[in-house]
Amino acid sequence: ETGVTQTPRHLVMGMTNKKSLKCEQHLGHNAMYWYKQSAKKPLELMFVYNFKEQTENNSVPSRFSPECPNSSHLFLHLHTLQPEDSALYLCASREQRDGEQFFGPGTRLTVL
Amino acid sequence: KQEVTQIPAALSVPEGENLVLNCSFTDSAIYNLQWFRQDPGKGLTSLLLIQSSQREQTSGRLNASLDKSSGRSTLYIAASQPGDSATYLCAVRPVGSGNTGKLIFGQGTTLQVKP
Repeated sequence: ETGVTQTPRHLVMGMTNKKSLKCEQHLGHNAMYWYKQSAKKPLELMFVYNFKEQTENNSVPSRFSPECPNSSHLFLHLHTLQPEDSALYLCASREQRDGEQFFGPGTRLTVL
Repeated sequence: KQEVTQIPAALSVPEGENLVLNCSFTDSAIYNLQWFRQDPGKGLTSLLLIQSSQREQTSGRLNASLDKSSGRSTLYIAASQPGDSATYLCAVRPVGSGNTGKLIFGQGTTLQVKP
């Protein structure tokens, strides 16, 4: 148990649906991350939040919309996705200084 | 632009062997380097974190070394077991990433340890 939980673990959605991914960390960290992992590609950083403020958006399409209401929760709102957005979406958290990043189990997303 | 490469992409060894996984990075200006393990379809488990000022870190049968000037890190696994079968990922935190803690990942080495 890493202390970072993600729901749902699996999600299948159509291109016109709207859904949200949820991440919660129980580690008292103040930085949270969304990553995308596609087949045969390195993990790609999507968004970074520090103390609830977005500090990095790695040129992510606007059909992905993050939300960080507090230091423990992070959401990724999805709308009008494309089949190529199918991937494993991973959330992570970290202490602010030089701490390790701890990852959740991921949400396996399939866009039909 | 920082790039991280892991060689080999896949490795199959018999149980009990000692083995070395390699990670190289193009820019030596890093804060730290982290090794992760990923089981199929699962999230990442942090194995070892090496700060830029350190040369190595050890945890049980795992030993990771860092040679920042040459842009290399190795993960040594002693007396490998079938339970070690997984994908091992290397990631660096580049200087200039500010307080984001941004990591740049390699593509991983998929290890299979045969009984």
